[in-house]
Amino acid sequence: GAVVSQHPSRVICKSGTSVKIECRSLDFQATTMFWYRQFPKQSLMLMATSNEGSKATYEQGVEKDKFLINHASLTLSTLTVTSAHPEDSSFYICSARGTSGGSGELFFGEGSRLTVL
Amino acid sequence: QKEVEQNSGPLSVPEGAIASLNCTYSDRGSQSFFWYRQYSGKSPELIMFIYSNGDKEDGRFTAQLNKASQYVSLLIRDSQPSDSATYLCAVNPGGTSYGKLTFGQGTILTVHP
Repeated sequence: GAVVSQHPSRVICKSGTSVKIECRSLDFQATTMFWYRQFPKQSLMLMATSNEGSKATYEQGVEKDKFLINHASLTLSTLTVTSAHPEDSSFYICSARGTSGGSGELFFGEGSRLTVL
Repeated sequence: QKEVEQNSGPLSVPEGAIASLNCTYSDRGSQSFFWYRQYSGKSPELIMFIYSNGDKEDGRFTAQLNKASQYVSLLIRDSQPSDSATYLCAVNPGGTSYGKLTFGQGTILTVHP
């Protein structure tokens, strides 16, 4: 079946540094990818919608200048957390929608756990 | 009012029993409904999706949708200890692009031997 890969799976960084997380669709082309954030014991919250070749659409309350999203190809979207702070520590998960857009063609990556010291 | 509501549980059932998980949603225009299972520290895994009123069965799992009541449920038959996880209900709200999901807070299920 289709696979969405995220890298890195875990990252620890110092406060003030930037971290890039990659989301790749391995055997299908993803015109749209979604980025979610999950804090401990909470559910997934959508951060932004990433469309190949265009600017990402951010959900209310998500700082676009802090969470930079790039979707330069049909198989790769990246999320960069700029000037990370401890409150950004979270589980970041991407999902990808296939180009056919058919029902059910929505796949989640394995997630990336960010810890900001 | 939360857009997607689930009882956080924990729901505890004995091995072999039927586990019933419930979810209500507020957007009457919602078209797509998903159930995911999430183990601690892992990403969600899709169990089932449903679009039409009624039941949809896949192996031990049955999803039930009632759009008039804005209610979706998941039944797990012959529950196994390996089914112990958090179950997330997700809804694709009406008027949004497919895949832009709103998640409930999840129900913790424990299946004890």
